Amino acid sequence: NAGVMQNPRHLVRRRGQEARLRCSPMKGHSHVYWYRQLPEEGLKFMVYLQKENIIDESGMPKERFSAEFPKEGPSILRIQQVVRGDSAAYFCASSPGTSGSGKNIQYFGAGTRLSVL
Amino acid sequence: KQEVTQIPAALSVPEGENLVLNCSFTDSAIYNLQWFRQDPGKGLTSLLLIQSSQREQTSGRLNASLDKSSGRSTLYIAASQPGDSATYLCAVKWGGSQGNLIFGKGTKLSVKP
Repeated sequence: NAGVMQNPRHLVRRRGQEARLRCSPMKGHSHVYWYRQLPEEGLKFMVYLQKENIIDESGMPKERFSAEFPKEGPSILRIQQVVRGDSAAYFCASSPGTSGSGKNIQYFGAGTRLSVL
Repeated sequence: KQEVTQIPAALSVPEGENLVLNCSFTDSAIYNLQWFRQDPGKGLTSLLLIQSSQREQTSGRLNASLDKSSGRSTLYIAASQPGDSATYLCAVKWGGSQGNLIFGKGTKLSVKP
């Protein structure tokens, strides 16, 4: 059972370009969380999705950022018109469900490191 | 505001020493608390998860305790090894099972041979 897969591992973009980050959850997991880790900062929650639904996006910047988790395929975090301040590590986590002990553990991917030039 | 604080930010110890990492949180009504390890340039590895009804969890040389009333958790590492060198993150989930994790900034541990 493969873990949470994120790609690309490293992404370089120039200011104004778009960045698309992908996350494939663990097999059987239908809940996906995105977190951002700025340099010298802790991880900050961005958005929580279930298949085809955004459950909580309270941590997402209001502009330029969007996320989706379609019925088929990976979850996508999209950043439009990137700026230097978007440079960070973006982590995805997945969990199988929300009830019962152990079912609410979030398993993390290795992250995508975005560098904006 | 729900916040998680980890002290110290960095710690250096000689190999073989027992050590304690500290985590404090502002709201005692937590759902669970989780300790992670993060190696440079890598993702997060879950070490221990403590549910709100539990007092401690153990895995090998690691022991995590939880005191909700005082808003504290500690991660105890016995007989430290150079391979334990990493950043240790404490994360708290509030607001039920569907809640997101709120992380501390971590403690960077260096174990010297």
